[in-house]
Amino acid sequence: QVQLQESGPGLVKPSQTLSLTCTVSGGSISSGGYYWSWIRQHPGKGLEWIGYNYEIGRTDYNPSLKSRATISVDTSKNQFSLKMTSVTAADTAVYFCAREDTMMSWRYFALWGRGTLVIVSS
Amino acid sequence: DIQMTQSPSSLSASVGDRVTITCRASQSISTYLNWYQQKPGKAPNLLIYDASRLQGGVPSRFSGSGSGTDFTLTLSSLQPEDFATYYCQQSYSTPYTFGQGTKLEIK
Repeated sequence: QVQLQESGPGLVKPSQTLSLTCTVSGGSISSGGYYWSWIRQHPGKGLEWIGYNYEIGRTDYNPSLKSRATISVDTSKNQFSLKMTSVTAADTAVYFCAREDTMMSWRYFALWGRGTLVIVSS
Repeated sequence: DIQMTQSPSSLSASVGDRVTITCRASQSISTYLNWYQQKPGKAPNLLIYDASRLQGGVPSRFSGSGSGTDFTLTLSSLQPEDFATYYCQQSYSTPYTFGQGTKLEIK
C-alpha cells in the first residue's frame, strides 16, 4: 500500500526558503501516470493547489505563487520536494503532499500525506 | 482561474438525514469535478471523481451528480462518521481550484 509522508522544518523565518520533502513508501515514484503534487491549507481555511511535477521535468504551478515554488523529484530516494522562496506570514499553512491519479481523462487526488504545519515567523 | 462556489457553507443535520451539498463552477468544466471529505487534523479523502464515480471503498450512501457548471453531492442517510467538511475541486484546468468547503455538523 503506497503511503506519503511529509517532512521538513515546522518554523521558517520570513524572507527565507521553505523546504519540504515527501517520501513515497510502498511503491515507486517512477511509476508512470502520476502527478506528484503539493497542496496547502491555511489555518481554518480551504485548500490551495501549489503545483505538480510529472515525468521529471514537466511541472505546473499556481500562478498565485508568483514563481516562488519549485517541485522536484528524486527517484533515487523515492521522494519529491517543494521549495518556496521569500516566504511571508501568508505562507503559514498545513502543507500536504499528494499523488494525482489519472484514469482516461479524469484526474483526482487519490492519495495524500498527513500534512505538516509550517509557521512563518521570526 | 475557475472559481468554485459551494453552498451552504455549513449545515446541521441528524443521523439518518438525507443531505445535499451544491458546488457551482464559474465556467463549464464538463464532469471534471471531484469531491473530498476532510475530518479535523486529517488530510482530505477522495469520495467521488468525474462528478459521479464513487472512489473504491467509499460507502454507496455517497453519490454525486451534475455536469457543466452545477454539481451536487448527496449523502442518502447520514452516519455519525459523516460529520466532516466537504470540498469540491475542479480538475478541468490548472490552476486546480477547490470550493471553500461545507461543514456538516450534528444537529
